[in-house]
Amino acid sequence: EAGVTQSPTHLIKTRGQQATLRCSPISGHTSVYWYQQALGLGLQFLLWYDEGEERNRGNFPPRFSGRQFPNYSSELNVNALELEDSALYLCASSLGTAYNEQFFGPGTRLTVL
Amino acid sequence: AQRVTQPEKLLSVFKGAPVELKCNYSYSGSPELFWYVQYSRQRLQLLLRHISRESIKGFTADLNKGETSFHLKKPFAQEEDSAMYYCALETSGSRLTFGEGTQLTVNP
Repeated sequence: EAGVTQSPTHLIKTRGQQATLRCSPISGHTSVYWYQQALGLGLQFLLWYDEGEERNRGNFPPRFSGRQFPNYSSELNVNALELEDSALYLCASSLGTAYNEQFFGPGTRLTVL
Repeated sequence: AQRVTQPEKLLSVFKGAPVELKCNYSYSGSPELFWYVQYSRQRLQLLLRHISRESIKGFTADLNKGETSFHLKKPFAQEEDSAMYYCALETSGSRLTFGEGTQLTVNP
């Protein structure tokens, strides 16, 4: 069974630009989660999508947004990039009910110059 | 607000020795706790969860609500246990709050 996939592996942008990160969940999973792993800050919850709707949001500014498509894949968009947005962005998927195991992807490394 | 604390960033033990990775949490609701592990060059994966009360790869973790702890233990560490371990708390909305992680090194 294929795991969660993310693209691109690496992304380099300059300050003020926009970044788009993509995630494909495990087949059958309806929930997608996004986490940010910035140096020194650990893993922080960003967004949760289930059945195409945003269900929960972490403590991040509105320039972090995303969506979930009918096939349950997801995009994370970061507008007006700032240097501190440089981080590893992890996507996870699950069956969508509470306390289900979240399966993580390999991550996208975003570097903002 | 919920919070997960892993007081040790680094932990080093010898093969065959007992190991305990500490995790404390703060949460006003009923906690559901997990341990995730990341081996070198692999993705983050679930090790065990409180709700299952299972033992995986010889590891166990007991939820102590009085001490608000969920320490991970193994009686005899193996070299292949060397990895980064994260304690995580699931709260409403299926969000996971992670601790900062403990890097475990098991020396031969």
